[in-house]
Amino acid sequence: DSGVTQTPKHLITATGQRVTLRCSPRSGDLSVYWYQQSLDQGLQFLIQYYNGEERAKGNILERFSAQQFPDLHSELNLSSLELGDSALYFCASNAGGGVGEQYFGPGTRLTVT
Amino acid sequence: AQTVTQSQPEMSVQEAETVTLSCTYDTSESDYYLFWYKQPPSRQMILVIRQEAYKQQNATENRFSVNFQKAAKSFSLKISDSQLGDAAMYFCAYRRAQDFGNEKLTFGTGTRLTIIP
Repeated sequence: DSGVTQTPKHLITATGQRVTLRCSPRSGDLSVYWYQQSLDQGLQFLIQYYNGEERAKGNILERFSAQQFPDLHSELNLSSLELGDSALYFCASNAGGGVGEQYFGPGTRLTVT
Repeated sequence: AQTVTQSQPEMSVQEAETVTLSCTYDTSESDYYLFWYKQPPSRQMILVIRQEAYKQQNATENRFSVNFQKAAKSFSLKISDSQLGDAAMYFCAYRRAQDFGNEKLTFGTGTRLTIIP
C-alpha cells in the first residue's frame, strides 16, 4: 500500500459525459501528479500540482482540468468524454524536491462507451 | 524533449534464471534520475529501483540491479534468481534533477516479462 488513495476504482460512462476522479496523497506530501495510461502503453504525464498551485503541464487536453484543494487532495475533471479517453488514470504524490520518488495510487479505470 | 525507449516489448525467462531488460534514453541534461517501475496484473505501479545520474555506482536492491552507462545513455535492469512474482510489465522512467517542484516522469513503453516455471 503506497498510502495514495484514488476513487473510484472503476468508472463507466457514456460519450459526451463529464466525470471527476479523486486523489488523496500520502500524508505530508505536497505534490500530486496525474498520469494517463491507455491500453498496454506507457504512462503519459498530464499535470502536476504543488501545494495547491499548478506546477507543470503535460499533453493534457483542454477538455481535462484539475485542481488541488487546501487539504491537498486533488481532482481530475474530464468533460465531453470520447471513446479514446478510456484509460487508467493514475495519481502519484511525493514531498516535492529531492530524489523525486513518486508513490502511485491504485488508479481509476475509466471506460467510455 | 527527453525520450525513453524500451526496445523489448516482451521477454521471458526460466524461473531461477537471470534476465536483463534494456532501456535507453535521450537527454541533454547532465543531472537526472532514472527509475524502473513494475506493474503487475493488479496494475499498481511499484518502484523497483532508482539511480542518480551523478552516482557512478550502479544501484542494487536485493535481486534487482542496474547497469547504468551514462555516456551511452543506457539503463538496463537485471533480475537475478527470477521468481514467479516477478512476472509483470516493467517501465523505465526518467526525471530531470532540476526544476524543484516540476518532477514529471517520462516513461518508456514497457517490457512485459513472463516467468516460465
